[in-house]
Order: sequence, then C-alpha cells, then structure tokens
Amino acid sequence: DTEVTQTPKHLVMGMTNKKSLKCEQHMGHRAMYWYKQKAKKPPELMFVYSYEKLSINESVPSRFSPECPNSSLLNLHLHALQPEDSALYLCASSQEVGVRTDTQYFGPGTRLTVL
Amino acid sequence: AQSVTQLGSHVSVSEGALVLLRCNYSSSVPPYLFWYVQYPNQGLQLLLKYTSAATLVKGINGFEAEFKKSETSFHLTKPSAHMSDAAEYFCAVSDDRGSTLGRLYFGRGTQLTVWP
Repeated sequence: DTEVTQTPKHLVMGMTNKKSLKCEQHMGHRAMYWYKQKAKKPPELMFVYSYEKLSINESVPSRFSPECPNSSLLNLHLHALQPEDSALYLCASSQEVGVRTDTQYFGPGTRLTVL
Repeated sequence: AQSVTQLGSHVSVSEGALVLLRCNYSSSVPPYLFWYVQYPNQGLQLLLKYTSAATLVKGINGFEAEFKKSETSFHLTKPSAHMSDAAEYFCAVSDDRGSTLGRLYFGRGTQLTVWP
C-alpha cells in the first residue's frame, strides 16, 4: 500500500481561528514532508521530518507549526493565518531523508481557504 | 545547485497524438530525475524516475522518458494521448548537497490538454 492520507479534504478558516491538518502513512517511511502549493505553481517545501525530528524548516512563518507525534503521523497546526496562506497543502513521505533516489509519495492534499 | 526547466507551460494535443513534454536539467553531478503527474484537485503521483540504471525509463500509463546527458534533457513522451492524460506534469531533480540531500526541486509544470 503506497497511500498517504490527509484530512480534512477542505478547510475554511478565519484569520483568528486555530485549526490542524493531519497526514498519515503506513508504509514504514521515516521521512515526512509538508508542501504548500498555490494554483498553477509547483509545490514549495515547508518542512521535513526525519525519524520524527524536524530536519528542515524552509523559513516558514511561525503561524505554521508542524508536529510529528509518531512515525506514521504528521500534523500541521495553523493559527492566525492570512488570506495569502490559502493554498493546497500537500503531505508526502519517503523511506528516508537524504536518499537521492527515494520516491516521495504524496497525499491528496487539503484545500485551505483563509477568509 | 540543481534545477530543472520545463519548456512550455501549456501543451495541447489531439487524442491519439504523440505527447512530448520537455524537461532540461542543470546539474554539476549525475542527476536523479523524476516526472510527477497531478490531476485536478489531487496530489502528485510518480510517473517514472531516472536513477542511472537505464537511460530509457518506462513509467505508468504508457509514459516513458529518455535521459540524454549530451542534451541535459529528460523529456516525457507517450505515443498516443488519451483524454485521461489531461493533467499538470512536473519534472523534478533530487538535490545532491549534504544538508539538503534528496530534496526535490520542481520545474514550473506543464499543463497538458487533450482534445477529442
């Protein structure tokens, strides 16, 4: 099974709300990623977790807070977002961080709208 | 630093026609290259990848790509387009630097339209 699941599929939130995005994989992968994708653009890397530890933070604003509670789960906590944060948020996983030939498997994404 | 360039943000073909999506890479070391497809409102799905085992790589859904070092290219082709191939296609290269080894750098994407 090469499936990465993400919930919710859609999320609408106000600028003062706190919400969380969830990602899950059961492939035994030790690397997990959050990407942000604006319309008609490629995905932009936000965070990378390796063995449940944050290994890369691409200078993402603190209103985005990632969490990796265990090797199968990845969360993205959202607080005080701006309308320009509206985008498709994609989760991905791969066997390991730092292996150039590894395939990243992507989830279907959460479509986030910030009002 | 490694990068990929996708020539043509939009490609339109008739059903049954050849599909050719272009990707050129820039790399100081042997690159590892990927093609992903994204259908509307979905995540990315791997079509194929080049990891130096063979220069002609066959992927899913009848797609293939040929790695040409002399041309620094990794173009994606399919002999006969199907309506279901309409999607966004991304070429990507895997980073070779220590601190970001394995990180993917994506091209800007090519939107493929298939006309009946």
